[in-house]
Amino acid sequence: GENVEQHPSTLSVQEGDSAVIKCTYSDSASNYFPWYKQELGKRPQLIIDIRSNVGEKKDQRIAVTLNKTAKHFSLHITETQPEDSAVYFCAAHNDYKLSFGAGTTVTVRA
Amino acid sequence: SAVISQKPSRDICQRGTSLTIQCQVDSQVTMMFWYRQQPGQSLTLIATANQGSEATYESGFVIDKFPISRPNLTFSTLTVSNMSPEDSSIYLCSVDGGHYGYTFGSGTRLTVV
Repeated sequence: GENVEQHPSTLSVQEGDSAVIKCTYSDSASNYFPWYKQELGKRPQLIIDIRSNVGEKKDQRIAVTLNKTAKHFSLHITETQPEDSAVYFCAAHNDYKLSFGAGTTVTVRA
Repeated sequence: SAVISQKPSRDICQRGTSLTIQCQVDSQVTMMFWYRQQPGQSLTLIATANQGSEATYESGFVIDKFPISRPNLTFSTLTVSNMSPEDSSIYLCSVDGGHYGYTFGSGTRLTVV
């Protein structure tokens, strides 16, 4: 089955700085890579996704890049704000289901 | 995107009992997914529920412990049976919202005492 590794497990950044989270996947057949943000006590919310035929996608302050050859994808958050503090999960879609990374706890320091 | 109503939102249960969690979707979906999220951990897929067929369970999860029903294309239940404190967790259902991606119910926080 698919194995998704996510790094770092925790990330502390100064407000206004950028945050980068990296994930690798094992199965080259995976074709869809969403990122979720989970605030404490709430459900995971999709924040951005990318499909295997695209190398980069951007939505305001967040962007995702995908390197199919190396089987890794990354989330970039620019100009971080206190409300960006949360746990972020990457995932890879393969054979009808999602496999999730272990998560990254992001703390934005004011 | 699909809207999922999940209940109960939380419960405290005695060990040895069972709890049934319900998820209702506002549109018809082929597959519904049930996840477990242990405190501070990631999401682990328990099983996939298809209407009209047996659920597909992931490694480490069995039907006797987590029976699933899928009576129609908008509804599913997950039962946590013969509970022990190790079953204390958050349980979430999820559906593929197509263009809008996979969405989650609000979760059920289960505490077994």
